[in-house]
Amino acid sequence: GAGVSQSPRYKVAKRGQDVALRCDPISGHVSLFWYQQALGQGPEFLTYFQNEAQLDKSGLPSDRFFAERPEGSVSTLKIQRTQQEDSAVYLCASSTSTGKLEYFGPGTRLTVT
Amino acid sequence: AQSVTQPDIHITVSEGASLELRCNYSYGATPYLFWYVQSPGQGLQLLLKYFSGDTLVQGIKGFEAEFKRSQSSFNLRKPSVHWSDAAEYFCAVGGSYGGATNKLIFGTGTLLAVQP
Repeated sequence: GAGVSQSPRYKVAKRGQDVALRCDPISGHVSLFWYQQALGQGPEFLTYFQNEAQLDKSGLPSDRFFAERPEGSVSTLKIQRTQQEDSAVYLCASSTSTGKLEYFGPGTRLTVT
Repeated sequence: AQSVTQPDIHITVSEGASLELRCNYSYGATPYLFWYVQSPGQGLQLLLKYFSGDTLVQGIKGFEAEFKRSQSSFNLRKPSVHWSDAAEYFCAVGGSYGGATNKLIFGTGTLLAVQP
């Protein structure tokens, strides 16, 4: 595709529900990143994939957060038993193998009520 | 620790006036530096980047930034602001280290308002 796409764009979940957020990176991009942007803050790194391998998950805030990229293209960020503090915009970015530049998707705004 | 500081949370300028947004970073290796802009409800758009070479970099929409290693700064400038520049601006630092990841570290952003 022309750019990074994310779905859904908006998600409202009741506290305790599980959610799944999808990211379609730019075709051919081997690197994929997830960031969390709380209201009024800058994005914060969550996790990084190179192809299907999750090489860095140091930013995942708890074991309720899980990400996968089974075929090295589309990625899913799953949040189990959502809490109010999970409310944020979740941004996905992809880059080429040289990894110097990240292209961001429009984000998914998650609101936990 | 690696970090990015944007000391100005909110700036208001008049249309046509010049603009400088400050960014200071702390990074253990040679940094890659970025400025992104985000309009309400939108994703991040890259304005410009510095990897190496000329320390004055030009970006889109008439923006430029200068990398000053001695000051650990990468300030964003524009000579004449347009009303459409009103948005939030994020400075970010990243780099390839250990071959593992190029994750970006962002500042908290500067919200720019433009007065007519």
